[in-house]
Amino acid sequence: AQSVTQPDIHITVSEGASLELRCNYSYGATPYLFWYVQSPGQGLQLLLKYFSGDTLVQGIKGFEAEFKRSQSSFNLRKPSVHWSDAAEYFCAVGAFGNEKLTFGTGTRLTIIP
Amino acid sequence: DAGVTQSPTHLIKTRGQQVTLRCSPKSGHDTVSWYQQALGQGPQFIFQYYEEEERQRGNFPDRFSGHQFPNYSSELNVNALLLGDSALYLCASSLLDRGRDGTEAFFGQGTRLTVV
Repeated sequence: AQSVTQPDIHITVSEGASLELRCNYSYGATPYLFWYVQSPGQGLQLLLKYFSGDTLVQGIKGFEAEFKRSQSSFNLRKPSVHWSDAAEYFCAVGAFGNEKLTFGTGTRLTIIP
Repeated sequence: DAGVTQSPTHLIKTRGQQVTLRCSPKSGHDTVSWYQQALGQGPQFIFQYYEEEERQRGNFPDRFSGHQFPNYSSELNVNALLLGDSALYLCASSLLDRGRDGTEAFFGQGTRLTVV
């Protein structure tokens, strides 16, 4: 069975500081990995995805993520956060890119001035 | 492109009642998936519809059922509502294309269901 662990429930960073959100997955084959962002009361917006190829993927809003097969990780990074990045971030794993997604429990990001 | 649209945005129902939620997929997409997101949790997969048939189902009871129409839009029905069914229900659409990477799922804004 596939599963996703996001070990950090809540992270607080200062505006302009760097950010790394952790994601570990369990999947029997090559996973399709995603990061989504959710603002309060809203749906999910895709930040980036990894299907194959280069293990460092670039996404929208200046985010990037690195797939590390040996560590079963897909951590999300941003060099300098903005107040508008405050939201809930979800890591997800799936197959073929469009079948059932399994989500982590999310990491809530708070930005302080 | 309107993206994925869901209706209604908010709904309040009483225990034991039945509810129907609706979803129109993004233009060009043929697959609709439904997720339940309880407060403070990640979305949980309910089921997925393709070619008007349920092709995958998560660990949800039979009280949860769905339908997909020829225009690819979809409905989620929940019977005999329980307090624990209170959640944000998210619809996602994608293009199923076996043998290729396919497309990622695009999510709607969700329907907030409150059961009292």
